[in-house]
Amino acid sequence: EDKVVQSPLSLVVHEGDTVTLNCSYEVTNFRSLLWYKQEKKAPTFLFMLTSSGIEKKSGRLSSILDKKELFSILNITATQTGDSAVYLCAGYRDTDKLIFGTGTRLQVFP
Amino acid sequence: DVKVTQSSRYLVKRTGEKVFLECVQDMDHENMFWYRQDPGLGLRLIYFSYDVKMKEKGDIPEGYSVSREKKERFSLILESASTNQTSMYLCASARAGRSSPLHFGNGTRLTVT
Repeated sequence: EDKVVQSPLSLVVHEGDTVTLNCSYEVTNFRSLLWYKQEKKAPTFLFMLTSSGIEKKSGRLSSILDKKELFSILNITATQTGDSAVYLCAGYRDTDKLIFGTGTRLQVFP
Repeated sequence: DVKVTQSSRYLVKRTGEKVFLECVQDMDHENMFWYRQDPGLGLRLIYFSYDVKMKEKGDIPEGYSVSREKKERFSLILESASTNQTSMYLCASARAGRSSPLHFGNGTRLTVT
C-alpha cells in the first residue's frame, strides 16, 4: 500500500530558528514529490522535486529529494511567525495521482 | 493565477440528506479531484476525473458519487449524508500527464448532524 509519512507531527519554535521537516515515501511508480503549505484555507504549492540531490530554493525555504533512500526534507531558515502552518508532503503515483502525508504542524512564536 | 472555487465555505446538513458540493476551475485543467481532510488522517482522495464524463474511484469512494458534465466543473454528491462524512472537503485541479502541481480550492467544511 502506498504511504507518505511525515515527521515530526508538530513543531514549536521561536522566530529566527531553523527547522527541518521530514517526509518519507513508499509510492508505486513514483514520479515526483511535492510540498505544500496550508494555513487556514487551501494548501498552496511550494516545491516539486523530481530528481535526486538537486536542491530547490525559494527565499528562506529549500527542499531536496533522495530517491535512493525514499525521503525528502524541507528546510526553513530564520523562521517567522508567518511560517506557522501545516506543511504537507505528497508523492505522485504515475503522473496523475497524489498521495498525501498527514502533515507537520509548525508553530513559530515571537 | 489558477482559481479553483468551491461553492460553499460552510455547510450544515442533516443525516440522510442528499448533499451537493460544487467546484469550478478557470484554467482549462483536464484533471480534477475531490479530497477530504480529517485530523490525523491527512488528505484522502475520494474521486478524480481525467476528462468530461470520466471518473475514477480514489481511496475512499464509499458513500460518494461525482459528476463532471463540463470540463470546468466537478461535483461531489453525498447520496445520503451520514455523521461520519463530517469533514473538510477540498477540490483541486491540475494539468494532465506531467505530475503537475494540484491547485486547491478553499475547502468546504461540512457538518452532518
